[in-house]
Amino acid sequence: SQQGEEDPQALSIQEGENATMNCSYKTSINNLQWYRQNSGRGLVHLILIRSNEREKHSGRLRVTLDTSKKSSSLLITASRAADTASYFCARAYSGTSYGKLTFGQGTILTVHP
Amino acid sequence: DGGITQSPKYLFRKEGQNVTLSCEQNLNHDAMYWYRQDPGQGLRLIYYSQIVNDFQKGDIAEGYSVSREKKESFPLTVTSAQKNPTAFYLCASSRQGGVAFFGQGTRLTVV
Repeated sequence: SQQGEEDPQALSIQEGENATMNCSYKTSINNLQWYRQNSGRGLVHLILIRSNEREKHSGRLRVTLDTSKKSSSLLITASRAADTASYFCARAYSGTSYGKLTFGQGTILTVHP
Repeated sequence: DGGITQSPKYLFRKEGQNVTLSCEQNLNHDAMYWYRQDPGQGLRLIYYSQIVNDFQKGDIAEGYSVSREKKESFPLTVTSAQKNPTAFYLCASSRQGGVAFFGQGTRLTVV
């Protein structure tokens, strides 16, 4: 299976704290993407990191990728109540379209005001 | 506004019925995708299409069918052969080499 793991499954923090979510995968990837999903809604793309990149930033988001360990992490700094959502990592494998993705089970993030 | 529109938002199906979920995009994207999401789970790929009149099975295609007669449209039919169709269905599109943009989903319930 190409499924990986995400941890933690759930994360509860206070506003202002940092949130870190981790993602592992099993086979070589073209790129890894992080998405956010508010309850009962569609997914919103957050950031894409290619297999030859090690770190990317976008606003309060920082994503790292370690291809030797087949793992990635998403860091949200100075979290806000509005960051409460599910976060998914999704892998695009070599030779496939960037939209043909394999998703993890996600991390449910709750940020308390 | 550009985007992906899924309809209906909620759909109820009786046992043995086929139902069709609509997905329309005006982003001029070549590729379109259908994913299924079960409670507390990630998304799983049902079907995808990279160009008009062509589509491929994803990981869980059994009990589903699609068509891609127009670039803008990629309807998904959930057939009576799908034994456990209750789920949240998400449509997405992307340009070649681009990331996926998702619709707001259709929640299908068997009654």
